[in-house]
Amino acid sequence: GNSVTQMEGPVTLSEEAFLTINCTYTATGYPSLFWYVQYPGEGLQLLLKATKADDKGSNKGFEATYRKETTSFHLEKGSVQVSDSAVYFCARGDSNYQLIWGAGTKLIIKP
Amino acid sequence: NAGVTQTPKFQVLKTGQSMTLQCAQDMNHEYMSWYRQDPGMGLRLIHYSVGAGITDQGEVPNGYNVSRSTTEDFPLRLLSAAPSQTSVYFCASSYGTGVPGELFFGEGSRLTVL
Repeated sequence: GNSVTQMEGPVTLSEEAFLTINCTYTATGYPSLFWYVQYPGEGLQLLLKATKADDKGSNKGFEATYRKETTSFHLEKGSVQVSDSAVYFCARGDSNYQLIWGAGTKLIIKP
Repeated sequence: NAGVTQTPKFQVLKTGQSMTLQCAQDMNHEYMSWYRQDPGMGLRLIHYSVGAGITDQGEVPNGYNVSRSTTEDFPLRLLSAAPSQTSVYFCASSYGTGVPGELFFGEGSRLTVL
């Protein structure tokens, strides 16, 4: 089938901790992969993307690597801040002008 | 930079009422779409458009209508509101068609149907 699965939240971490949010997908071929972030009370915005296998997307200290062997696109950050508290969505491109979305993972960073 | 503008931000309706959620973008994007966001379900595509005069259904189109008479505007109409349509609605646009890349989202419209 066509799906994107990401770890359930909420994920609660202390400031400066290491973050990993897992994301796996099913697809035929090699779709583009995305991480979007939604801060409280706002719309979603693109955080990073990767368009082909082994690509690494990065932005604002976040990174994710397109792993075709494990069909994964895990989001990582070495040292999180309180301002990173948000909901993070993994998504993959689809040929019908759509994005297939994960359910979202709420991240809570405590000072 | 206006980007994607949605109105209204909040709306309360009674069952059976109709209303239109407005969406406008000033980036000359060809692709526009409407999503609804419900707790634990992520985003679900309602309708989308790949250009003026062209619209198509997404995953959950029932109860909603759209039109695209201009590149800039993509209104979403609820013909007879139902409590199941209580949700947060997001409009999003993108540069081109084909495999989607970066989507630009509005700030959302929170709709409550009593």
